[in-house]
Amino acid sequence: SQQGEEDPQALSIQEGENATMNCSYKTSINNLQWYRQNSGRGLVHLILIRSNEREKHSGRLRVTLDTSKKSSSLLITASRAADTASYFCATDLGGSNYKLTFGKGTLLTVNP
Amino acid sequence: NAGVMQNPRHLVRRRGQEARLRCSPMKGHSHVYWYRQLPEEGLKFMVYLQKENIIDESGMPKERFSAEFPKEGPSILRIQQVVRGDSAAYFCASSPRTGGYQETQYFGPGTRLLVL
Repeated sequence: SQQGEEDPQALSIQEGENATMNCSYKTSINNLQWYRQNSGRGLVHLILIRSNEREKHSGRLRVTLDTSKKSSSLLITASRAADTASYFCATDLGGSNYKLTFGKGTLLTVNP
Repeated sequence: NAGVMQNPRHLVRRRGQEARLRCSPMKGHSHVYWYRQLPEEGLKFMVYLQKENIIDESGMPKERFSAEFPKEGPSILRIQQVVRGDSAAYFCASSPRTGGYQETQYFGPGTRLLVL
């Protein structure tokens, strides 16, 4: 398996519902980041959580990190149609503070 | 404050031609990273550069690929004698590297290379 694998691969919800995406990784990390990518576009940085942090909030986003389970989750509350995108978690390979490893992403579709 | 800029946004080449992709980092950023994204895949690290220095090119194929970040001008990712398997989206990211053990990398819109 790859470092930084998102689950589920695809998620479809109705506007107003919450969306939860998970990410698992295998080696030790310094931190973990979540990015959003709209179809055919570049990546937009959402949030960075350091290995000594357990939870972080940014607007409607809530990220948790469990280093004992080597997993993270991204929660988007009160979803909007504009949240439709692919979401990627990216980890630094332990020891590297710049080489990000991405999973294949979760494709989130928010239906109006 | 303009973000990371990449050009061209789309590039079509025939097999055997050269592809040249450009990246201008965000203002004040002196560190550039190139990633490649194959269809239905996540991004894969290729190379990390500072001005006039290649810091880590461990993710870059040994042949046909090269990268530079000159003192003046954009960073260039060059692919010689392209093959169909080079078709992908190539993303550039930059960071200020002012300190700390990692900084957020800010990504450009990407260049989508299609090799016919």
